[in-house]
Amino acid sequence: DAGITQSPRHKVTETGTPVTLRCHQTENHRYMYWYRQDPGHGLRLIHYSYGVKDTDKGEVSDGYSVSRSKTEDFLLTLESATSSQTSVYFCAISESPATSIEKLFFGSGTQLSVL
Amino acid sequence: QKEVEQNSGPLSVPEGAIASLNCTYSDRGSQSFFWYRQYSGKSPELIMSIYSNGDKEDGRFTAQLNKASQYVSLLIRDSQPSDSATYLCAVIDSGYSTLTFGKGTMLLVSP
Repeated sequence: DAGITQSPRHKVTETGTPVTLRCHQTENHRYMYWYRQDPGHGLRLIHYSYGVKDTDKGEVSDGYSVSRSKTEDFLLTLESATSSQTSVYFCAISESPATSIEKLFFGSGTQLSVL
Repeated sequence: QKEVEQNSGPLSVPEGAIASLNCTYSDRGSQSFFWYRQYSGKSPELIMSIYSNGDKEDGRFTAQLNKASQYVSLLIRDSQPSDSATYLCAVIDSGYSTLTFGKGTMLLVSP
């Protein structure tokens, strides 16, 4: 299995509080992604990174920010969590850019509940 | 908005049968197509990729692509109960920026 660790695995928080999810990889892959998965919506891209300090928005980026200060770490921050952000969050990594993606490796996911 | 459409299912098949999973996409310029399998409570894993029109076989799995009809399918021969999972179709958009996933089709294989 690709070396991807997401933390925490589960989190319960209250509306309005800040939350940071961490994705750590040991594969030295350049590309990292944050997805959320919700019933009826499937997997949707939040933000992605194509290198240290290089990030871009995905389909559902509102309310989220990201940072990548090191190759191995990609952080997803909810500045002020809302109930609509209750979801399962997956981090993914790939060695190649989207132009030639052969394989996207996913982490185990973080179940976030915002009460 | 580029879309990838899948029937949510569940698709129920008996053990040993052929399961046929279908996917349509809206971006006519898309060039690369993938099938991921996701067991309940687990993360998705890639099982097939296809780039050219026609069929691509890998063991019990066959991916089929028809770009003119904007249609991708996955056939699973000799279905096993262990194949019970949600199958996600994914497409790289013509801008070559990101993968777009369908909502997935749940497959149930009964013994």
